[in-house]
Parts: sequence; structure tokens; C-alpha cells
Amino acid sequence: GNSVTQMEGPVTLSEEAFLTINCTYTATGYPSLFWYVQYPGEGLQLLLKATKADDKGSNKGFEATYRKETTSFHLEKGSVQVSDSAVYFCALSDLGSSNTGKLIFGQGTTLQVKP
Amino acid sequence: EAQVTQNPRYLITVTGKKLTVTCSQNMNHEYMSWYRQDPGLGLRQIYYSMNVEVTDKGDVPEGYKVSRKEKRNFPLILESPSPNQTSLYFCASSFFPGELFFGEGSRLTVL
Repeated sequence: GNSVTQMEGPVTLSEEAFLTINCTYTATGYPSLFWYVQYPGEGLQLLLKATKADDKGSNKGFEATYRKETTSFHLEKGSVQVSDSAVYFCALSDLGSSNTGKLIFGQGTTLQVKP
Repeated sequence: EAQVTQNPRYLITVTGKKLTVTCSQNMNHEYMSWYRQDPGLGLRQIYYSMNVEVTDKGDVPEGYKVSRKEKRNFPLILESPSPNQTSLYFCASSFFPGELFFGEGSRLTVL
């Protein structure tokens, strides 16, 4: 079945460091891919998305490119800030294969940015 | 303000005492869903609803019930809660399945 695998955390970086959080997926068909962010004590918020191969999603300085050949959707940011400290979830939508509309989430990666 | 509102945000209860977690959205979304979040397991879908009076099971429906009598509301019902249902619960909604707006979460502890 469909699944999402994220790199394990926690990831600890200094402010202004480069961030990469790896995400790979297994899916039939052509799923849409998402990154969600969860700040402490809050619900998940959509950070960015990509709906087809080679699409690049971007928002708030974060980017991720839908790579069908490597089944990956790695999240990157050139210069992280303390305010980026949160849990990041990679997800795929199975709308194409099973039509349940379910989002399948990775385990989440905790990012801590130190001043 | 567009939002998904869940209540209660925090609840401690005892085994077997029926409880309901309410969820309401003000965005006129057709699709609504419940997830539970557990450490190391990410988020798993409990139930979802494509529209009023249309609900279906997700990956972990055992021990839960839902109803969708109105478009804006999608309550989650635990008829006889057990300790393994201690978790953080999220309600979410969207126009289209996939791009979800989440509530702030309801942390449930079953003793």
C-alpha cells in the first residue's frame, strides 16, 4: 500500500543553517504530495504542496520538488530561524488510487533551531 | 476567520464513560475527517466524510463512531473509551480531499 517515510529526528540546527528533511514515498498512481508543519500546541498547517512530477512547492522560504524518479519530496530551506522550530510532516494524498481522500502521513520530524 | 473548532481541547476520563468530541468548520467544506496522532506513528485516519450523511471508515475506526447530519459538524463519539484510545485527536476539513485544514487538537486521556 501507499506509505511515506521521513528521516528520523530530532534535527537540531543553528540559526541561519541550511535545512533538509528527507521524505520518500511509495504509491500507486500519481499522488499529490504535501508538507505540513505543526507548531507546539497547535494543529497542522499546510506548508506547501505539489500535484505532479517536477512541480516545486514553496512557501515561507521552504521548498520541495516532486521527484517521481526517486519517489522523493525533500523539504529544504536555505536559512532557518528559531521560529521554524516545529514538527514537519510529509504526506501524500491517495485520491487517485482509492478515492478516500485520505492523507497518508510520515512519522514527523522535529526541528529545533538554536539561536 | 476560517477555522476548524474542536471541543474539548483537553479531557481526562475513565474507562467506559461515553464521550463526544465535537468538530465544527465554518468554511462550507464538504470533506471532513478525524485523525489520531500518537508518538512514532504519525497521524492515522479514523473516519472521514465526503458529504452530509456520507461517512466511511479510515485506517483505525475500531472503538469510534461518527455522524454527519449537518455540513459544518462532524462529531467523534467514543461509546466505551479504553486506555488505548488515549491520544491527540485532530479534526480536519477541505473542499477537496487532500488539502486539509486542521483543528487545534483534542488531547484525550482515558484512565
